Amino acid sequence: DIVMTQTPSSQAVSAGEKVTMSCKSSQSLLYSENKKNYLAWYQQKPGQSPKLLISWASTRESGVPDRFIGSGSGTDFTLTISSVQAEDLAVYYCEQYYDTPLTFGSGTKLEIK
Amino acid sequence: EVQLVESGGGLVQPGRSLKLSCVASGFTFSNYGMNWIRQAPGKGLEWVAYISSGSSYIYYAETVKGRFTISRDNAKNTLYLQMTSLRSEDTALYYCARHGHNTYYFDYWGQGVMVTVSS
Repeated sequence: DIVMTQTPSSQAVSAGEKVTMSCKSSQSLLYSENKKNYLAWYQQKPGQSPKLLISWASTRESGVPDRFIGSGSGTDFTLTISSVQAEDLAVYYCEQYYDTPLTFGSGTKLEIK
Repeated sequence: EVQLVESGGGLVQPGRSLKLSCVASGFTFSNYGMNWIRQAPGKGLEWVAYISSGSSYIYYAETVKGRFTISRDNAKNTLYLQMTSLRSEDTALYYCARHGHNTYYFDYWGQGVMVTVSS
């Protein structure tokens, strides 16, 4: 199974600050034939279902603010929020869809100071 | 608007069975792979099972293989999860989630249905 490791487990930042969170996979998520990374990011706000933010490591979903930036390749990935807003309070999960079983990281909880 | 509405959850004793349903609307259900994903109270996300659009391909997490069965009825726009031999560790919020078209990330999720396994 591909193990997804997210760090940190929690982070507290002030509104307007930049935040980065990491996701590392135990094997490469880069598919050589199409040069795509099979990595997605989800946002789960308190009491809500997860919401897809980013697919293919860096493609923002329609309607997702451009302050959410996904980057990385192979085994190392990053989600950056360029200027955190109060409504970004949530747990952020990465997920690999390179192979079954589909696996998630344990999440990074973002708290607003 | 894509909607996924789960039902069928509740309190069940260990060793008993339960069947979850997820009714889909707002898209052509028969064109998409579907999944069940669960989240134990206060914990992270765990993928449970996948079924392809035409039911040709089915995959399970090892933790539920042999006990859970995923199925779908495209005529009724409904996804199912038959759960048997339930254990306390199956206690979770169960989400129905759609795969993106021709890919395997989850682009829409239901609101979830709670399953509690306890005597």
